[in-house]
Amino acid sequence: DSGVTQTPKHLITATGQRVTLRCSPRSGDLSVYWYQQSLDQGLQFLIQYYNGEERAKGNILERFSAQQFPDLHSELNLSSLELGDSALYFCASSVEDRGSTDTQYFGPGTRLTVL
Amino acid sequence: ILNVEQSPQSLHVQEGDSTNFTCSFPSSNFYALHWYRWETAKSPEALFVMTLNGDEKKKGRISATLNTKEGYSYLYIKGSQPEDSATYLCAPRRGYQKVTFGIGTKLQVIP
Repeated sequence: DSGVTQTPKHLITATGQRVTLRCSPRSGDLSVYWYQQSLDQGLQFLIQYYNGEERAKGNILERFSAQQFPDLHSELNLSSLELGDSALYFCASSVEDRGSTDTQYFGPGTRLTVL
Repeated sequence: ILNVEQSPQSLHVQEGDSTNFTCSFPSSNFYALHWYRWETAKSPEALFVMTLNGDEKKKGRISATLNTKEGYSYLYIKGSQPEDSATYLCAPRRGYQKVTFGIGTKLQVIP
């Protein structure tokens, strides 16, 4: 158990809908990362927040947005969902934001299925 | 985007065999390299962070070396066990640029 929690574990929804995925980092961690893992694809970095501010952006679609709240939990909002958004979404956290040497601790993931 | 290559993509070894695989990355402006272990139905777990050329890290039967000048890292597993079956990911980091993970090497240890 990494100490990172994600809810919900599974989510099934329809195309065109909007969902929110939630992540609570390890106690004391200030940085949160979001990743997408689609079938037969590697981990695709979406976005990173540090202490409430966006730090780095990856291949995140415009239909997706994220934020980190004052209590450091983070939410990933996915809207106008398409079939291709079906994936496993991971959140990870790290203590600081030293950039290169931060070890990330991954949550259990949220499995999103869009029908 | 950092171009990361891992080889081989998959590997089957017999229990007790030793094995190794490679992570290649651009050597310019290198800062650190991370190795993660990802078991099926679980989430990735950090193995090592390596920063210096010639660095060698060890954790039990797993070790890793780093060559920053030529841009590669090797991960070695001595005497593979079925519980070593997992996908091994590498992620070179260069400052605050977005994180790039390799596609991974999927290791299957046959009892």
